[in-house]
Amino acid sequence: QVTLKESGPVLVKPTETLTLTCTVSGFSLNNTRMGVSWIRQPPGKALEWLAHIFSKDEKSYSTSLKSRLTISKDTSKSQVVLTMTNLDPVDTATYYCARLHISMVRGLITDFLDSWGQGTLVTVSS
Amino acid sequence: DIQLAQSPSSLSASVGDRVTITCRASQSISIYLNWYQQKPGKAPKLLIYAASSLQSGVPSRFSGSGSATDFTLTISSLQPEDFATYYCQQTYSTPRTFGQGTKVEIK
Repeated sequence: QVTLKESGPVLVKPTETLTLTCTVSGFSLNNTRMGVSWIRQPPGKALEWLAHIFSKDEKSYSTSLKSRLTISKDTSKSQVVLTMTNLDPVDTATYYCARLHISMVRGLITDFLDSWGQGTLVTVSS
Repeated sequence: DIQLAQSPSSLSASVGDRVTITCRASQSISIYLNWYQQKPGKAPKLLIYAASSLQSGVPSRFSGSGSATDFTLTISSLQPEDFATYYCQQTYSTPRTFGQGTKVEIK
């Protein structure tokens, strides 16, 4: 059974750095067909893709947040960590991690988010 | 970045109705388009990947179609448990992007 669980602070002060951890089970972060993505959702708003990391450490970031985000993984601990610097109240959101599943469909290699964590609400406030 | 525009932003429908949601990409993305369903207070759930492939365990009343820039999610006969918000997502290029969502409400 695949599970992902986000952990981290629920309240962060403006200008501080947020560190979120995604602990996975049921699959290996070494699996070349798997990766992990981070997505966030401000209250009442749409999903926003933040970053992803694949087994060979290939990473990608949101264009607007690239300068503030770092994604990394610790395969031995089955964890993916996302750090976001210089927090602002507009960063208040539920943060999700999700499994990125790579698959070949009709001759094309594609990916999709097939398992999600429950999400963790992070509030940025002084 | 590739932009995804969903329409409508919201709709009201009755149980048994056929519902269609569209997602338009700002450039051609072949079939690199996924659909997710999100219920209030819950994480999103994958429905359709690669434009038209039904995720395992998802009811067959859900279907996806389209390619290039225009995509459609169809619910053939709306059920009470289908009232939710639906998002499209492109995986053609990085950064990945989501549409703004379509809320399906009870009429």
